[in-house]
Amino acid sequence: ETGVTQSPTHLIKTRGQQVTLRCSSQSGHNTVSWYQQALGQGPQFIFQYYREEENGRGNFPPRFSGLQFPNYSSELNVNALELDDSALYLCASSNNRGQDYTFGSGTRLTVV
Amino acid sequence: DQQVKQNSPSLSVQEGRISILNCDYTNSMFDYFLWYKKYPAEGPTFLISISSIKDKNEDGRFTVFLNKSAKHLSLHIVPSQPGDSAVYFCAASTVTGNQFYFGTGTSLTVIP
Repeated sequence: ETGVTQSPTHLIKTRGQQVTLRCSSQSGHNTVSWYQQALGQGPQFIFQYYREEENGRGNFPPRFSGLQFPNYSSELNVNALELDDSALYLCASSNNRGQDYTFGSGTRLTVV
Repeated sequence: DQQVKQNSPSLSVQEGRISILNCDYTNSMFDYFLWYKKYPAEGPTFLISISSIKDKNEDGRFTVFLNKSAKHLSLHIVPSQPGDSAVYFCAASTVTGNQFYFGTGTSLTVIP
């Protein structure tokens, strides 16, 4: 059974650019959630995808968008990057709410 | 508004002694709680959970206590081992929710 994998592991982008982060969910999971973890903070919920549809969104602007594919993998897209977008982006997959909620190792995004 | 709070950013404990990590929450609708452990450069790893119908859940050296009236939960690690040194996050969710609310984490150091 494979776990949750995220790519890339590290990324440096310039302010104003766009970025796409990728997540492969754990086998048997159909729900993917994305979190942003700024330095010294706990993870903050960005949004969740279930059956290729957005299923809830946190307090993030529309320039944060996502996709889920038929194989349940997911992408997080951020447009018009700002310096404050520098953070660890975590993806978590799950089957039932809160059960087997499994995180990937994250993508460290640095915006300069 | 931080709905889940971990007021101790750090904790140091001697090997073999008990570690107690605390977490407070404000939303009385929360009914499911998790503790995660995070090592540097890795994603959070699930440690233990508890639902609001219980006041205690035990798994080996780890025990989580829930006091609903005080909106407080704690994680006890007995005996503490150097490998337990990590950042511990508590997280909470509601029965209808699709996201977890995280605390800011407590960095535990177990001194050999």
